[in-house]
Amino acid sequence: GAGVSQSPSNKVTEKGKDVELRCDPISGHTALYWYRQSLGQGLEFLIYFQGNSAPDKSGLPSDRFSAERTGGSVSTLTIQRTQQEDSAVYLCASSLVRDSYGYTFGSGTRLTIV
Amino acid sequence: GQQVMQIPQYQHVQEGEDFTTYCNSSTTLSNIQWYKQRPGGHPVFLIQLVKSGEVKKQKRLTFQFGEAKKNSSLHITATQTTDVGTYFCAGRGSARQLTFGSGTQLTVLP
Repeated sequence: GAGVSQSPSNKVTEKGKDVELRCDPISGHTALYWYRQSLGQGLEFLIYFQGNSAPDKSGLPSDRFSAERTGGSVSTLTIQRTQQEDSAVYLCASSLVRDSYGYTFGSGTRLTIV
Repeated sequence: GQQVMQIPQYQHVQEGEDFTTYCNSSTTLSNIQWYKQRPGGHPVFLIQLVKSGEVKKQKRLTFQFGEAKKNSSLHITATQTTDVGTYFCAGRGSARQLTFGSGTQLTVLP
């Protein structure tokens, strides 16, 4: 597609439930990133996928968070047993593998845990 | 781990005044990027700096990369209301992914 697509755009869920967030990157972009942005805060790195390499999971805050990328394209971020502190905007970005390119971000999923 | 600090956190200016935000890394960077996030929007890539001492301009925006490749700045000349938003620097060190600064939220008063 023309841009990075994320769904849903908004998600309200009860504490303790599991949620799945989806990211469809720009076609041809081999690198895919998930970041989290709390209200008025900066971007917190979560996970990075590059081609068929093992993902860099160093930013995942707990084992309740996991992500996968199928076929080198679409990615799903799963949060199990959600807690109120998980409320944030989850941003997905993709880029060409080379370091000279900037990230293209999706519009994000605003997750609210009630 | 790598840390990127950005100041100031907030800046209010009168339209027509200049604005500068500063970015400092705890480690030497291979490159640094700048992004703009409009209120309610997502970050949008502005520019990348790679070389020591590099200076790049985009209309009223001037970007600098320090000689030691550990700091950077963004300067806006004669701000306009369209410049409103949060400006983030993002540095790439040994890790492949970018580490973002905390951002500077710019308000331009008409």
